[in-house]
Amino acid sequence: EVQLVESGGGLVQPGQSLQLSCAASGFSLSTYWMSWVRQAPGKGLEWVANIKPDGAETYYVDSLRGRFFIFRDNARNSVYLQVNNLRVEDTAIYYCARDRRGATGDPWGQGTLVTVSS
Amino acid sequence: QSALTQPASVSGTPGQWITISCTGTSSNIGAFNFVSWYQQYPGKAPKLLIYDVTQRPSGVSHRFSGSKSGNTASLTISGLQAEDEADYHCSSYTTSSTLVFGGGTKLTVL
Repeated sequence: EVQLVESGGGLVQPGQSLQLSCAASGFSLSTYWMSWVRQAPGKGLEWVANIKPDGAETYYVDSLRGRFFIFRDNARNSVYLQVNNLRVEDTAIYYCARDRRGATGDPWGQGTLVTVSS
Repeated sequence: QSALTQPASVSGTPGQWITISCTGTSSNIGAFNFVSWYQQYPGKAPKLLIYDVTQRPSGVSHRFSGSKSGNTASLTISGLQAEDEADYHCSSYTTSSTLVFGGGTKLTVL
């Protein structure tokens, strides 16, 4: 069964950093683009970033470029999101998702909650 | 990278068909045939319903269909059922090689 499991979320103070992890099982991550998507409480989905199978290319939503960094370790079948200088407005569920050409979410992980509060 | 525009809510009665619109620009929906739709139940992760404007992944009901005209895409649900009550999100690939989502539409089955 194809599965994605996120971890690393939690409660942090503004200005702190977190590293979110996404472990894949049931398929080899090394042949797929992978994305991170977030959803603030009661809001819609926001695509954050994605990364090429070999890690050589990354793309970000303009508003988060420079604070968020996506990277991967194909040997560990995992993809990561480093989130720095967190703000209250970064509070959200962060989902990992496998991309297909021109889309994401095939499938999605269950998400990990990041809460930024003082 | 402006979000796509969806109605906040739509409603219908069992057996009816409804359509949810998703409006973008010539830099996203109008530029490619890469529009996707997702279904999300409260407290759950989204699920891919439609990709490449009209394609359904294996296991998705034929009651769900997608279309596109110009800068606007649409999701149609026919034979509405109580279990279809959920949030629906659209997304599109963009000319910046990124993805963009709509704000989501809450479907209520009356």
